[in-house]
Amino acid sequence: QQQVKQSPQSLIVQKGGIPIINCAYENTAFDYFPWYQQFPGKGPALLIAIRPDVSEKKEGRFTISFNKSAKQFSLHIMDSQPGDSATYFCAASMRTSGSRLTFGEGTQLTVNP
Amino acid sequence: EPEVTQTPSHQVTQMGQEVILRCVPISNHLYFYWYRQILGQKVEFLVSFYNNEISEKSEIFDDQFSVERPDGSNFTLKIRSTKLEDSAMYFCASSERVVGTEAFFGQGTRLTVV
Repeated sequence: QQQVKQSPQSLIVQKGGIPIINCAYENTAFDYFPWYQQFPGKGPALLIAIRPDVSEKKEGRFTISFNKSAKQFSLHIMDSQPGDSATYFCAASMRTSGSRLTFGEGTQLTVNP
Repeated sequence: EPEVTQTPSHQVTQMGQEVILRCVPISNHLYFYWYRQILGQKVEFLVSFYNNEISEKSEIFDDQFSVERPDGSNFTLKIRSTKLEDSAMYFCASSERVVGTEAFFGQGTRLTVV
């Protein structure tokens, strides 16, 4: 019930492509869904986050799409660049457990020049 | 830009030894967390800490683990008797409030138990 499932495990796109990473959850008490970006040797850094009262949020080249009825959310990266090559984690948390984040398994994204 | 700092960046210890991982959270943050990431796996929550006490802990955070805020700036994770399976990257994080604010992560301490 606490799990967040993420796919794909790895993704390779060409520069300018639009990688899409998907996550699914079961616990309807989750009410905060952030995406984190992690470069090798670094800690996760917040990229963008969404709450379930909206279906889409865009910040720069990054967009979250949220489907509350399907309990799914996804990250789209527009005009991807080699510098976007990193591991991306979706996560979820709920008000009743503070900011405890439940992470997905991670997606290793490679953007080729 | 304020950041969470962790020391050491890498620690090697013998099985059965005690280790203390140190963190300096962002100065105006009130909530502190430890997460771990076993190589190639997802980031897992260990414990959250607020107002000088544990507010939540996961099933991973058993009696061999403890946390402390020994002074106004440091936040530590102690592993009393390390096991091989404790080898992982340990991340400290902090947030300004408990809900609706970003959790900032440090760059981690790689713990290797031999």
